[in-house]
Amino acid sequence: DSGVTQTPKHLITATGQRVTLRCSPRSGDLSVYWYQQSLDQGLQFLIQYYNGEERAKGNILERFSAQQFPDLHSELNLSSLELGDSALYFCASSDAPGRLYGYTFGSGTRLTVV
Amino acid sequence: AQTVTQSQPEMSVQEAETVTLSCTYDTSESNYYLFWYKQPPSRQMILVIRQEAYKQQNATENRFSVNFQKAAKSFSLKISDSQLGDTAMYFCAFMTAWIQGAQKLVFGQGTRLTINP
Repeated sequence: DSGVTQTPKHLITATGQRVTLRCSPRSGDLSVYWYQQSLDQGLQFLIQYYNGEERAKGNILERFSAQQFPDLHSELNLSSLELGDSALYFCASSDAPGRLYGYTFGSGTRLTVV
Repeated sequence: AQTVTQSQPEMSVQEAETVTLSCTYDTSESNYYLFWYKQPPSRQMILVIRQEAYKQQNATENRFSVNFQKAAKSFSLKISDSQLGDTAMYFCAFMTAWIQGAQKLVFGQGTRLTINP
């Protein structure tokens, strides 16, 4: 157990639908990062939150949004889903600035859009 | 923008052999951090080793060591006495500077390593 909790582990949904992925960071970590990993690809950075505020943005689609709540858990919302959104979505957390230990990753949510 | 390149999509070696995975990166920063992560079939991302750019000494963690060449912007991973459990996807990653709370890890495309018995 890495200390980063992601739910659900698996999600199957239809095109056009909306889903919410949840992440609880490791205790004490203020930063949360979301990554997308398509089949056999590298990890693409989506967005970062630090202590409740959005701080960095990557190649995140306009159909996707995220937020970090006062208790530091984060949610990634994916809407108008397309087949190409099928991927493994990782959440990671770190202390600030994360250089001593890198990022701690959750086990991921596997999203399948049918 | 920082980029990370792993030029070996796949590698395969026999158990107990030594294998080296290549990684190059591009950045204009002078102080940064580099990481290697392992992703076994379970898909969990596991930190293998880290290197601080301002340190000339190469990092070592048991059977894992790096060859960090700052001028060449090269960061290779050497696995000695490879074991079956080392079979995984290996990702090289560059950590951007912490600027007003903003930071990210930039990953390469990965090298799929198979250790054969």
